[in-house]
Amino acid sequence: DVKVTQSSRYLVKRTGEKVFLECVQDMDHENMFWYRQDPGLGLRLIYFSYDVKMKEKGDIPEGYSVSREKKERFSLILESASTNQTSMYLCASRGGGGGQPQHFGDGTRLSIL
Amino acid sequence: QQQVKQSPQSLIVQKGGISIINCAYENTAFDYFPWYQQFPGKGPALLIAIRPDVSEKKEGRFTISFNKSAKQFSLHIMDSQPGDSATYFCAASMPGNQFYFGTGTSLTVIP
Repeated sequence: DVKVTQSSRYLVKRTGEKVFLECVQDMDHENMFWYRQDPGLGLRLIYFSYDVKMKEKGDIPEGYSVSREKKERFSLILESASTNQTSMYLCASRGGGGGQPQHFGDGTRLSIL
Repeated sequence: QQQVKQSPQSLIVQKGGISIINCAYENTAFDYFPWYQQFPGKGPALLIAIRPDVSEKKEGRFTISFNKSAKQFSLHIMDSQPGDSATYFCAASMPGNQFYFGTGTSLTVIP
């Protein structure tokens, strides 16, 4: 089974802090994704990466950046956290080729005070 | 613009009943349509998926019905159980990487 591990289940940070969310997958997947999940808005794509050191903006990249130095690890960075970034953050990975599902971690619930 | 529209937002069904969740899309380039199930405190997990070359796929009590001409697909949960209470997301993707998700349906199955 694919395992996607997010480093923290809950995180509390202060406004203006730089925040790092880490995600690791164990299936040698080329593609990795970061989403935020908010009630009534579903899953919104922040960034994705299809290869090491490659990244693409999703639908809501403002205020975020990402890093992918190794194939198995994809980091989401909040450069200067704000209260409107309080949310559930989900990481996913996916193998190459068509018809492949995304596999999700259990999420990080981030609160910015 | 929402690429995949999902309804209803919430659904309450009696135990043993049929739960039906609907999704609609516009982009005919989509070629993969998964459904995800999410329990509180957990990430979404793949439930069942379909490609557009078939009109129906069944796995146990879960069935996807796909109508290519109407650009709609739906999830049917037969003999719904309290353990099925969860949030369900439909999604669509085209060759490449990005998935487009619906906004989710919160299903409650009453004993």
